[in-house]
Amino acid sequence: EAGVVQSPRYKIIEKKQPVAFWCNPISGHNTLYWYLQNLGQGPELLIRYENEEAVDDSQLPKDRFSAERLKGVDSTLKIQPAELGDSAVYLCASSLEGGADTQYFGPGTRLTVL
Amino acid sequence: KQEVTQIPAALSVPEGENLVLNCSFTDSAIYNLQWFRQDPGKGLTSLLLIQSSQREQTSGRLNASLDKSSGRSTLYIAASQPGDSATYLCAVNTGFQKLVFGTGTRLLVSP
Repeated sequence: EAGVVQSPRYKIIEKKQPVAFWCNPISGHNTLYWYLQNLGQGPELLIRYENEEAVDDSQLPKDRFSAERLKGVDSTLKIQPAELGDSAVYLCASSLEGGADTQYFGPGTRLTVL
Repeated sequence: KQEVTQIPAALSVPEGENLVLNCSFTDSAIYNLQWFRQDPGKGLTSLLLIQSSQREQTSGRLNASLDKSSGRSTLYIAASQPGDSATYLCAVNTGFQKLVFGTGTRLLVSP
């Protein structure tokens, strides 16, 4: 069974440019998460989806970040415009349901903003 | 606000040693606690999940314990191998699948 798929794996952009990350969760997983991981730190939740509904986006900087999960399957996270401080790894995870289910993580997208 | 701390930040041991990684959290009101492994340039792999009502979980050479009242968890790795080299992260589930992660322990097992 395929795991969580993310693309691209690496992205280098100039500041003020837009960037988008894509995630395809494990088939059948209703809950999808986007995390931000800075170097030497643990991941921090940006947004959580239950099917196509964003149920927790309290940590998402809404002035420049947006996310969508159309049809409740794959998801896109966008940054516009990117800032130098956005350089980090963006991780996507999915779980069968919310609650106490194990989260399965993708390999992440490493973003470098120059 | 829940805070998770992991000690030590880095650990280097020779192959074959038994070792303990520590995780502490400030709020004992948790649903469960997970230990993850992260290899360089890769995502996280779940190793063990302990429900709040459990005291420990075992998988192969790994044993994780949980003392919710004192806000502590340990990950015990028996007979360490070079392939165990990675960063180990603990995360507490504060409810509604909100995971709060520690900063990790970077483990190096030398042959």
